[in-house]
Amino acid sequence: AQKVTQAQTEISVVEKEDVTLDCVYETRDTTYYLFWYKQPPSGELVFLIRRNSFDEQNEISGRYSWNFQKSTSSFNFTITASQVVDSAVYFCALSEANSGYALNFGKGTSLLVTP
Amino acid sequence: KAGVTQTPRYLIKTRGQQVTLSCSPISGHRSVSWYQQTPGQGLQFLFEYFSETQRNKGNFPGRFSGRQFSNSRSEMNVSTLELGDSALYLCASSSNVVNTEAFFGQGTRLTVV
Repeated sequence: AQKVTQAQTEISVVEKEDVTLDCVYETRDTTYYLFWYKQPPSGELVFLIRRNSFDEQNEISGRYSWNFQKSTSSFNFTITASQVVDSAVYFCALSEANSGYALNFGKGTSLLVTP
Repeated sequence: KAGVTQTPRYLIKTRGQQVTLSCSPISGHRSVSWYQQTPGQGLQFLFEYFSETQRNKGNFPGRFSGRQFSNSRSEMNVSTLELGDSALYLCASSSNVVNTEAFFGQGTRLTVV
């Protein structure tokens, strides 16, 4: 069975601090996909990144970066120089190759960035 | 390009009633998935439709059903509503590439009283 764990329920930082959101996953499949989504107060889930199990290359997009390590089954997300607009709930999700489009989400990490 | 549209945005229903929620996917997307979000259980997968066929189903009772039309629009129906069905219902639209990213609508907030 697949499982996604986001151990951090809530994180509070001051603007300009760096913050890392942790995600640990479990799956028996060798082919799987990992995602991060952001949910602002409006409720809509905003897609941030997709990574497949064969691509362990880290990725950077502006202030966002992702560290994928199969050895520790982790897919962590770092926001550099956080801003108030980064305040949201962030979800990590897993999709196995044979599950089609079904996403298995973690419980989410609520990030609060204060000025 | 228009995003995923869900209607209505808010709904209040009484226990025992039934409800139908609607989702219009991004133009050209043929896959529509539905998720239930509650404070206790988090985000849970309900089902996924592709070209009018249900391809995948989550672990929900038969009171939860859905369908997809030839224009890819989808509806989900919940019959005999229970208080525990109060939740944010999110619809996601995906292209034809398997396991690709899903784009979500703003959701329908259902309150059962």
